[in-house]
Amino acid sequence: SQTIHQWPATLVQPVGSPLSLECTVEGTSNPNLYWYRQAAGRGLQLLFYSVGIGQISSEVPQNLSASRPQDRQFILSSKKLLLSDSGFYLCAWSVHADTQYFGPGTRLTVL
Amino acid sequence: GESVGLHLPTLSVQEGDNSIINCAYSNSASDYFIWYKQESGKGPQFIIDIRSNMDKRQGQRVTVLLNKTVKHLSLQIAATQPGDSAVYFCAGMGAQKLVFGQGTRLTINP
Repeated sequence: SQTIHQWPATLVQPVGSPLSLECTVEGTSNPNLYWYRQAAGRGLQLLFYSVGIGQISSEVPQNLSASRPQDRQFILSSKKLLLSDSGFYLCAWSVHADTQYFGPGTRLTVL
Repeated sequence: GESVGLHLPTLSVQEGDNSIINCAYSNSASDYFIWYKQESGKGPQFIIDIRSNMDKRQGQRVTVLLNKTVKHLSLQIAATQPGDSAVYFCAGMGAQKLVFGQGTRLTINP
């Protein structure tokens, strides 16, 4: 069966510091991968998606970037965090453009 | 583009009653819809999906209804239990991407 992992689970970072969140998927090959951000009490905002290694599509201009160095690894990064980057970051995978399955999320607090 | 919204941001029901959560969408070309359940501090969990060639689909204690004429779908939960407390999101497939509604928080009263 397929599983999706995210780490860390929680993170507190100062403004201006770098960020690296990691997501890995097991049990499937060549999945579509997605990064979402969810503000408190709000819906999900799609940040990036990838249909293959090295292929990244950005949905909104922002302070973040994404990379897919391996088939089942998706990384969300920032060189300098802003206060507005705080939120709950969710990674998801799908087979083609179909049902998305979410990871447990990373709670990021920027102080 | 696609937009998906919820009729109510919160819903309170008595334990044992049936819950109905509603969702409207704007893109008549959307052909696939999903309901997710998100418990506090966790990622959304897939509940049930439906394709546009169907108007009803049933799972364990849940039923999704799709009315393409008025672009509306609903999630019905039978015999609501305390474990059903969560935020429920509908999502519609538009332009190869899922578009999520804002969510409805379901609260169960004992």
